[in-house]
Amino acid sequence: DGGITQSPKYLFRKEGQNVTLSCEQNLNHDAMYWYRQDPGQGLRLIYYSQIVNDFQKGDIAEGYSVSREKKESFPLTVTSAQKNPTAFYLCASSPFSLSGYEQYFGPGTRLTVT
Amino acid sequence: GQQLNQSPQSMFIQEGEDVSMNCTSSSIFNTWLWYKQDPGEGPVLLIALYKAGELTSNGRLTAQFGITRKDSFLNISASIPSDVGIYFCAGRNRETSGSRLTFGEGTQLTVNP
Repeated sequence: DGGITQSPKYLFRKEGQNVTLSCEQNLNHDAMYWYRQDPGQGLRLIYYSQIVNDFQKGDIAEGYSVSREKKESFPLTVTSAQKNPTAFYLCASSPFSLSGYEQYFGPGTRLTVT
Repeated sequence: GQQLNQSPQSMFIQEGEDVSMNCTSSSIFNTWLWYKQDPGEGPVLLIALYKAGELTSNGRLTAQFGITRKDSFLNISASIPSDVGIYFCAGRNRETSGSRLTFGEGTQLTVNP
């Protein structure tokens, strides 16, 4: 059953702790993305990766880090430097194609930092 | 950077009514995508458009890629309660942004039975 998995669904952390969110895909997609969504708002791009061992900053990369050691995995670390980390985090992947780069999303992880 | 304006921000309709929403961009896109997000879930791709003037349907949903390549429209016919959710448009210009998408702010749809 192909898809994108994010775990856990809900995550609670104390302020000052780093936390890593998991994203795995078995769609054989080349590109993977991390977005942040705040209540009542759209999606903001944190980081993306188009190929293994390479990634680029999105619009709000400060306080976050990523790695792409395997094609199917793109974990996101929310560091203590992120000033307002409580949010809904969405991972997506897309194939490379001439027609378009449709992105497919995972179910999301809701992170609460207190 | 590119800006995407989506309207309306919210809609309250009666079951059975038709719905229209649209997105306009400050620059040209090669691809328009429409997604639906249920509460607490990830967005699900509804329709993808690749060519100016293209009109594509998916059941009761119909989307169009504007002729100017700066806008797109989504229509939902004969709405039902399960249509409730947030609808996002997204666009891409492969020359300027590669695989990155620009997302609209979303349209929150409420359907009263």
